Amino acid sequence: SQTIHQWPATLVQPVGSPLSLECTVEGTSNPNLYWYRQAAGRGLQLLFYSVGIGQISSEVPQNLSASRPQDRQFILSSKKLLLSDSGFYLCAWSPHLTTGNETQYFGPGTRLLVL
Amino acid sequence: TQLLEQSPQFLSIQEGENLTVYCNSSSVFSSLQWYRQEPGEGPVLLVTVVTGGEVKKLKRLTFQFGDARKDSSLHITAAQPGDTGLYLCAGGDAGNMLTFGGGTRLMVKP
Repeated sequence: SQTIHQWPATLVQPVGSPLSLECTVEGTSNPNLYWYRQAAGRGLQLLFYSVGIGQISSEVPQNLSASRPQDRQFILSSKKLLLSDSGFYLCAWSPHLTTGNETQYFGPGTRLLVL
Repeated sequence: TQLLEQSPQFLSIQEGENLTVYCNSSSVFSSLQWYRQEPGEGPVLLVTVVTGGEVKKLKRLTFQFGDARKDSSLHITAAQPGDTGLYLCAGGDAGNMLTFGGGTRLMVKP
């Protein structure tokens, strides 16, 4: 069966510090991968998605970047964190071959607090 | 840009009551998915509906996709405290991108 991991689970960082959040998927090959950010108790905002190694699409301009160095690894980064980067970050995967009806499966999330 | 409006944003009811959550858009979606999320965890899929007019039941939960595939509803019968959580609808397109609604936070009091 497929599993998706995120770490760390919680992170407290000072403003201006760098960021690296990691997401890995097991049990599947060549998945589509996604990074979302969620404000408290609200819906999800898509930040980045990837259909393959080294292929990253950005949905919103921001202080963040994403990379996919391996097939099942997706990394969210920042060189200098802003207060507004605080939030709950979710990674998700879906099967690569889609009919438009495929489910996205979410990781447990990383709660980031920038002080 | 596709938008999904979810209502109500908050709902607090007593155990045993019925409720309906709505998800509306002016855009047509290829699929509509409902997720439930617990605090501090990732969303978990409840159901996917793909055909206009489709109705799916999951125990006390009934999901319906509008005939025009622009809207959906989630109806819970005889709500229980275990139903408490954040309910999210998401519309899918042909490229498997999801557009999420703003969520409905449900609290069921014993």
